[in-house]
This record gives sequence, C-alpha cells and structure tokens, in this order.
Amino acid sequence: KAGVTQTPRYLIKTRGQQVTLSCSPISGHRSVSWYQQTPGQGLQFLFEYFSETQRNKGNFPGRFSGRQFSNSRSEMNVSTLELGDSALYLCASSLGAGRGTEAFFGQGTRLTVV
Amino acid sequence: GNSVTQMEGPVTLSEEAFLTINCTYTATGYPSLFWYVQYPGEGLQLLLKATKADDKGSNKGFEATYRKETTSFHLEKGSVQVSDSAVYFCALTDMEGSGGSNYKLTFGKGTLLTVNP
Repeated sequence: KAGVTQTPRYLIKTRGQQVTLSCSPISGHRSVSWYQQTPGQGLQFLFEYFSETQRNKGNFPGRFSGRQFSNSRSEMNVSTLELGDSALYLCASSLGAGRGTEAFFGQGTRLTVV
Repeated sequence: GNSVTQMEGPVTLSEEAFLTINCTYTATGYPSLFWYVQYPGEGLQLLLKATKADDKGSNKGFEATYRKETTSFHLEKGSVQVSDSAVYFCALTDMEGSGGSNYKLTFGKGTLLTVNP
C-alpha cells in the first residue's frame, strides 16, 4: 500500500514569506503528526491532528499552524518565515490509538529560508 | 514531562563489530518504546518496538529490551554491516500519561552510526 507522501520535497523561501506543506497519510490512518528536524534541536513535535481536530500542540509560536481535511490529508503553514525555520519537516501518520501504535513517516520537506 | 536520553554519537565501528546504543527515558505514564532509523535523505523508519516491561523488540538482527526498573531500552546488534550506517533514534509514546487522547512521539537526539568495511 502507498506510504506517506509529502509535497513538495524541497522549498526555498525568503524571510517574511509564508509557506504551506502538504501530507497525504496512509489510507485508513486518521492521525497525522508533524515534526521539525534540525541539527541543533533534533526532532521536535509540532502538532497532531485526528479526524480533523487538533489534539495536541508542541511548543512552537503561533506562526506555525495546521489543519486536517475530511480525507485525513493534512497541511501545515508557517507564516512570516524566519531564518531559524530552515529545517526538515516530517509528517507521520498512524492509527492514533492503542499501545505501541506505530507511526509511519514521509520523506519530509526540506525548507530553506534565505 | 516525558524525555528520552540516548548516547551521543557519532559511533564508528568496523564491519562485524558489536553495537550498543544506550537509551533511557522518563515518562509520566507507562510508555511504549521505539527505535527508529533514518538513512541519508530519507524519513524515519520503525526498526523495532516494545510495549511492556521485559518485552524484547527485534528486527534485522537488532534487539532492544524494555527495562522498566532501569527505565532503559538499549539497542544492540551482534554484527553490524556497512548498510547499517544511519542515524538511530530512541522514542516513546505515552498515551496513558496524556489521558489517552493524543498521539505524540518524544525522541532522543539521535546517534549517527558509521560502519566501515
């Protein structure tokens, strides 16, 4: 079955712009989580959506937002980009419930802010 | 809150050497534990998992045992190969500690493993 698909794979944006990243989860998965990966901070949790509702949010400023559609596809948006937002953004899909539930990751979107 | 601490890398080994990557955790509830692997330019892949004390997760020659008394989940492999070169992440989910209402992975910083022929 198809894996988690993230688009685009690479983005270059200018400071102050905004950006939207997309994630298509595995069919049947209702939970989509987003993570930011940087060399200094490692993998940090941004937010999780389940059946179109945000269930949990990490410690990021309000410039980071997301949403989930009725088909479980998710988007995350970053407004007023800063240089420090340059990172690999990973999306993970899962069933979202039960002990030991596995998360399946996409290949990520590499965002560079110049 | 929850946290995962894993040994700092990088780790460089020769092919067929024994591998251990240490991982300890703190959690408010009774977490499930995971090892994920990231190859260059890729996302993360689940390597193995364990959901309760004394469970042993295993896959592709890698093993890790859930030790509740020492809050540890160390990754081991008896004989590494060049193809094992990657970044390894220890992680946990603690759905009970969060009220069972959300799914969130807490990761360690990652350990870069390089295996030389």
